[in-house]
Amino acid sequence: EVQLLESGGGLVQPGGSLRLSCAASGFTFSSYDMTWVRQAPGKGLEWLSAIRSSGGYTFYADSVKGRFTISRDNSKNTLYLQVNSLRAEDTAVYYCAKSTTSAATRYAMDVWGQGTTVTVSS
Amino acid sequence: DIQMTQSPSTLSASVGDRVTITCRASQSISNWLAWYQQKPGKAPKLLIYKASSLESGVPSSFSGSGSGTEFTLTISSLQPDDFATYYCQQYNSYPNTFGQGTKLEIK
Repeated sequence: EVQLLESGGGLVQPGGSLRLSCAASGFTFSSYDMTWVRQAPGKGLEWLSAIRSSGGYTFYADSVKGRFTISRDNSKNTLYLQVNSLRAEDTAVYYCAKSTTSAATRYAMDVWGQGTTVTVSS
Repeated sequence: DIQMTQSPSTLSASVGDRVTITCRASQSISNWLAWYQQKPGKAPKLLIYKASSLESGVPSSFSGSGSGTEFTLTISSLQPDDFATYYCQQYNSYPNTFGQGTKLEIK
């Protein structure tokens, strides 16, 4: 079964940092681009960042550029999101998602994790 | 960045109704558009990709159409399980962006 499992969320003070992880199973992780999406409480979905299958290219939303860093370890089938300089408005559920097709530059997301919650508060 | 605008924001309908949700892009995205369904407390679920391609396992009551800047998601006959929030997403260029969502409520 294709599965994504996020972890690493929690309560953090403003200005703090976290590293979110997404463990993948059931598919050839190294062949697929991966994406992080978040959803603030009661709000819509916000695309955050994506990374190519090789890890060689990364993309960010303006709202997190310079503060968040996406990476992956294909030997561990794991995707990461390093989130720094956290603000109250970063409070959200963070989802990782898998691209629909391998070796594609444009893709939707067909498998999502259950999400990990980040709460930024003093 | 490409802005995605959905309408309506809320839609009240009854079981058996045919409903349509519209998504407009601020510039042409060809057919690089997806639709997702999300229920409270759950992750989004892919329904439609490439504007009109039905994801495996999704009921044929769902259909998508459009290209360029205007797109629609149609549910031909609403079932109780269809009441949820729907999002469009463009993946023509980075950063990818979502519409603000359409909440489909029971009338």
